[in-house]
Amino acid sequence: EAQVTQNPRYLITVTGKKLTVTCSQNMNHEYMSWYRQDPGLGLRQIYYSMNVEVTDKGDVPEGYKVSRKEKRNFPLILESPSPNQTSLYFCASSLNRGDEQFFGPGTRLTVL
Amino acid sequence: AQSVTQLDSQVPVFEEAPVELRCNYSSSVSVYLFWYVQYPNQGLQLLLKYLSGSTLVKSINGFEAEFNKSQTSFHLRKPSVHISDTAEYFCAVRSGGYQKVTFGTGTKLQVIP
Repeated sequence: EAQVTQNPRYLITVTGKKLTVTCSQNMNHEYMSWYRQDPGLGLRQIYYSMNVEVTDKGDVPEGYKVSRKEKRNFPLILESPSPNQTSLYFCASSLNRGDEQFFGPGTRLTVL
Repeated sequence: AQSVTQLDSQVPVFEEAPVELRCNYSSSVSVYLFWYVQYPNQGLQLLLKYLSGSTLVKSINGFEAEFNKSQTSFHLRKPSVHISDTAEYFCAVRSGGYQKVTFGTGTKLQVIP
């Protein structure tokens, strides 16, 4: 089954404790992206990647890091999480940049 | 730069009534436009898209949207809504030559029995 998977689905952590949210797709897609969804703000793009080893900032990259060492994986790293990063995070992938995106199920992160 | 405006944050409508969800975008170049739907506690899924060609695009479940370049709009319509259409709808734009995708703030469609 073609899908985008994210782990964990739910995470509660404390300020400053490094964490990684994994994202994997099995569709051989080139383009991958991370978004955060906050009430009243819709989805905002954090980082995107056009291919292996090619990443760039989205609209809200502060406090986040990403890497794309393999085509299928695109982890999101929060090296020192803060409460304002409490949000619902979505990973997405598409065959190329102009195509529809396939979204993962989301990761709900709470930073205390 | 590109931007998307969804002016209506919530739209209540009675079952079997028509609905229009508005989306306006801003871009100085050619655009790709998308509508995504998010059902409660789920991720987003594509509803329909405009890449090129016919300005009227349709989904398999009765929604349609029309790309209007002069008004920079991509409004979503359905002639008769069903309870199962209750969800949040997001308009998104990607400009030609621009890597980022920008989403609107979303419109919650509430279908009333």
